[in-house]
Amino acid sequence: QLQLQESGSGLVKPSQTLSLSCAVSGGSISSDGYSWSWIRQPPGKGLEWIGYIYHSGSTYYNPSLKSRVTISVDRSKDQFSLNLSSVTAADTAVYYCARDNYGAFDYWGQGTLVTVSS
Amino acid sequence: QSALTQPASVSGSPGQSITISCTGTNSDVGGYNYVSWYQQHPGKAPKLMIYEVSNRPSGVSNRFSGSKSGNTASLTISGLQAEDEANYYCTSYTSSSTRVFGGGTKLTVL
Repeated sequence: QLQLQESGSGLVKPSQTLSLSCAVSGGSISSDGYSWSWIRQPPGKGLEWIGYIYHSGSTYYNPSLKSRVTISVDRSKDQFSLNLSSVTAADTAVYYCARDNYGAFDYWGQGTLVTVSS
Repeated sequence: QSALTQPASVSGSPGQSITISCTGTNSDVGGYNYVSWYQQHPGKAPKLMIYEVSNRPSGVSNRFSGSKSGNTASLTISGLQAEDEANYYCTSYTSSSTRVFGGGTKLTVL
C-alpha cells in the first residue's frame, strides 16, 4: 500500500521560505505514468493545486504561485520537496502531497499545517 | 487559470439523489476527459471518488457516479446516506498541463 508522509517546519516567519518534504513508501517515486503533486488548503477554505513533478524532474506550477514555487525530487530517497518563498499570512494552510495521474490524486499524505507568523 | 465553478452548497434527504455540477472551459473540463471528484470530511485528507469523468476507484460505492456534457461535469450521489455529508471538490487537467480545482460544494444530508 502506497503511503505518503509530509514533513517540515510548521511555523514560518513572513518573507521567509516554506520548505516541506514528502516521503513515499510502499512504492517508487519513479513509477511510470505518475507525477507527484503539492496541494494546499487554507483554514476553512477550498483546495488549491500548487504544482507537480515527474521523476524525471520536469515540473509544472500553478501560474498564480509560479514565481515563488520550486518543487524538486530525490529519487534515491523516494522523496519530493516543496519550497515556497516570500511567504505571507495568506500562505497559512494545510499542505498535502499526493500521487497524481492527470489530476486524479489517488494517494494523499495526511497533511501538515504550516502557519506563517512572526 | 480560474477555479472551476461549483455550487457552494447542496442538500438532500436520506435515500434521495443529488447532483453537484462543476463548470469550466474548453481549456479544461470541456477539452479533456480528465475530471476527478473528491470527498473531504472535516479534518481529513480528500478521498478520490471519481476519475476520468466517470470511473470509480476500487472500494468506492456505486452510489457515486460521474458524467460530463460540454464544459460541465457532474457528480451524482444516489441513495443519500448520512455519511455522505462532506465537502466535494472537482478537479480537471488543463491545456497547460496543470490542474485546477473547483471551489468546493458542501453537501448536507437533511
